[in-house]
Parts: sequence; structure tokens; C-alpha cells
Amino acid sequence: QQQVRQSSQSLTVWEGETAILNCSYENSAFDYFPWYQQFPGEGPALLIAIRSVSDKKEDGRFTIFFNKREKNLSLHIKDSQPGDSATYFCAASYSNNRIFFGDGTQLVVKP
Amino acid sequence: NAGVIQTPRHKVTGKGQEATLWCEPISGHSAVFWYRQTIVQGLEFLTYFRNQAPIDDSGMPKERFSAQMPNQSHSTLKIQSTQPQDSAVYLCASSFTGENTLYFGAGTRLSVL
Repeated sequence: QQQVRQSSQSLTVWEGETAILNCSYENSAFDYFPWYQQFPGEGPALLIAIRSVSDKKEDGRFTIFFNKREKNLSLHIKDSQPGDSATYFCAASYSNNRIFFGDGTQLVVKP
Repeated sequence: NAGVIQTPRHKVTGKGQEATLWCEPISGHSAVFWYRQTIVQGLEFLTYFRNQAPIDDSGMPKERFSAQMPNQSHSTLKIQSTQPQDSAVYLCASSFTGENTLYFGAGTRLSVL
């Protein structure tokens, strides 16, 4: 059973638009939700993360919106740039256990 | 800090040969994770160690795959009798105990001909 689901395999936006990547999860015990960014030829790297006690986390152009009741979250990338083109993985974990990853969304930002 | 180091970056094996992949975690990190990444399956968890002890190997194929962490400075993933379906990027990650952030290496691309 897929613990973390990302609704889109791919997403294309124009430069300057807001890219919205959606994610949902199964296990109500999850309390930590990181998003990882991966460029070709590299390993994923932590981009931004939120804990379940919060409903929003902002870091520059990147914002996570979290809905505990609905068990979903989204990553908003404001003013998207071509350099943001990458694969984004939504993930979840609880109590310092292993992290469960979604299948990833490949974002393309067209100039 | 050089980050997580994985060697080799690329490995080509013939069907039936053995492949050993190496991972050097970030100094001071006590947890080491192995993942396999393919286009079709995405990021698949394989196994992880904490303080060199195996904690969860639920993602490891029962046959042919084994992982070890003989000391705190390196871990190995061994695949015996490699098959074409083992072709993937194998990623190693490490983290501090008590933290959820994983630091990934660049991966080893394994190609089985």
C-alpha cells in the first residue's frame, strides 16, 4: 500500500507562475512531512519540511500548506524559475522512523 | 564536509555477476539508509542501520541482496547474481539519530547487461 501519494507525475508551468504540487498520505501517525528536490545526476536534497502541529511553513518562495484533517499537503513554488525544474518528492515519517517517499513530481518551468 | 560519498558512480556488470556498492556516510551520522531509484518504481526503501545495527530490511529482496555496516564510516550493498531488473540508481543516505533529515549521496548507477 502506497503510504504517500503525489497526484501528478509531471507538471509544467511558465516562468513567474506559482507551481502547486499536491500530496496525500495514509497513516494518521505521520507527524513530519519533508519535501525533497532532486536534480538529474544528484541525490534528493531536503527543500522544506513541516510538522503536523503546523498548517503552514514558508521558506522564501517555497510554502507548504498542510491539512491534517484531510491528510493532504501541498508545496507551492511562487515565481517559478527555470532553475526550479527538478523532481520533487513528498515524504512522511513518524517518531524518528524511516521516511516514506511518494513517487515524485517532475516539474518543468518554461522560460 | 564532503557529504555522503558513494562509489563507484557507475557500475556495469554482466548478468550473473556480483556487484558491491559502497557508501561513506557523513561523519557523526549514526543512521544509514539504502534506497533504489527507477523510473517505474520511484524511490524504493531497501534497508537501514542505526549505530551500525540493522534496524529494518523490509525493502530488501529476500534473495541475492545483502547489506552490511562493519564500521561507522562505511556501509556496503551487495547484489549477487545480478539480473537486468536490478539495473537502477542505488542511493545511500545518512542522518543524525533523533533527526528526520536524510542527506543523500549522488548514487551509484548500476547497469546489468
